[in-house]
Amino acid sequence: AQKITQTQPGMFVQEKEAVTLDCTYDTSDQSYGLFWYKQPSSGEMIFLIYQGSYDEQNATEGRYSLNFQKARKSANLVISASQLGDSAMYFCAMREAFYGQNFVFGPGTRLSVLP
Amino acid sequence: EAGVTQFPSHSVIEKGQTVTLRCDPISGHDNLYWYRRVMGKEIKFLLHFVKESKQDESGMPNNRFLAERTGGTYSTLKVQPAELEDSGVYFCASSQGEMPNHQETQYFGPGTRLLVL
Repeated sequence: AQKITQTQPGMFVQEKEAVTLDCTYDTSDQSYGLFWYKQPSSGEMIFLIYQGSYDEQNATEGRYSLNFQKARKSANLVISASQLGDSAMYFCAMREAFYGQNFVFGPGTRLSVLP
Repeated sequence: EAGVTQFPSHSVIEKGQTVTLRCDPISGHDNLYWYRRVMGKEIKFLLHFVKESKQDESGMPNNRFLAERTGGTYSTLKVQPAELEDSGVYFCASSQGEMPNHQETQYFGPGTRLLVL
């Protein structure tokens, strides 16, 4: 079974609007970390935001926030005030504390910001 | 502070040849990871070093792949002999190793794009 699901292969958003990128995960572990990475066309993987499974508050980093719903096993990335430079692939990843032990990535969502 | 660097950025080789990829982690990072993304597929874990020791190599596809991390600094990933299905992007990542693994951010390099003809 897939551990990380990103159901949106591609998304479009108008510049300055907010956009939500979906991520659901599957784990039996109680302790795990959820990560979002951005991959622009240049190819590098840029860390955006982290959410721990025991964190009670949703993580925020500047224009990025994570809508963490533990019971639903979802960790959606919200980008506010989209910019043209936000156009990229976005990967959701999970690392379990006890099972698996290493990053598992979702298939990614390609976001295109329209002027 | 320099990020994770990888060399070469691109490599085009013929089937049967040998290629060696290099990764220099962020200075002071004990953990070093290799991942790869084959065309159209997801990013997959290959192996994990803690300093010079292989912590987990469960993701290595077969014995044509050999990874080393001499002295716990940079790492190399050798593919010998290369096959067509080895084409893809090979990423290296590093993390400090001061927190539980599931809480630590991994910082990725720019990747090496390997094409086997």
